[in-house]
Amino acid sequence: GENVEQHPSTLSVQEGDSAVIKCTYSDSASNYFPWYKQELGKGPQLIIDIRSNVGEKKDQRIAVTLNKTAKHFSLHITETQPEDSAVYFCAAIYDKVIFGPGTSLSVIP
Amino acid sequence: DSGVTQTPKHLITATGQRVTLRCSPRSGDLSVYWYQQSLDQGLQFLIQYYNGEERAKGNILERFSAQQFPDLHSELNLSSLELGDSALYFCASSVGGGVNTEAFFGQGTRLTVV
Repeated sequence: GENVEQHPSTLSVQEGDSAVIKCTYSDSASNYFPWYKQELGKGPQLIIDIRSNVGEKKDQRIAVTLNKTAKHFSLHITETQPEDSAVYFCAAIYDKVIFGPGTSLSVIP
Repeated sequence: DSGVTQTPKHLITATGQRVTLRCSPRSGDLSVYWYQQSLDQGLQFLIQYYNGEERAKGNILERFSAQQFPDLHSELNLSSLELGDSALYFCASSVGGGVNTEAFFGQGTRLTVV
């Protein structure tokens, strides 16, 4: 069945460094790929998304890249700050939503 | 604040019981989605309603049902509850009816079945 893999499951970086989270998906029909940030005790928050007709999208310190041929997409966070610490989920969507298992990011001051 | 309101925030109930979770979408949003988040299953899409009609179905058990009312709020009904139903239940809303539109999540309802 359709699934989304996400790596790494945990990631620890020093403040100011970059963080990269990678996802691969199996349903080639997927055409929408959102990323969510979930802080402790809160619901997931959409932080950036990309559609299949675009290869890269950037929003300040956050960027997402998509390789449809290889069926993988990545989240890049530059100049990380302690408030970036959270669990990040990728998702692949066509007619259903499939989430990755999440990456717990810790930014060490 | 996403603008999506879920009540109650916490719910503790016994096995075999039935509960109702409520969601009010953002103003102007026509779609409501329900998700279950548990430690072993991660985030699972349950069901989507668009303007009162069921639009998409995910991994929703037959013991669970949902509906969206004319004022666009939605309720998720969970019956014959089992210990394994303990989880965070999130509602999200979006303007569009397609599953592939950006959705905004509420704070969730934490259900504990004892």
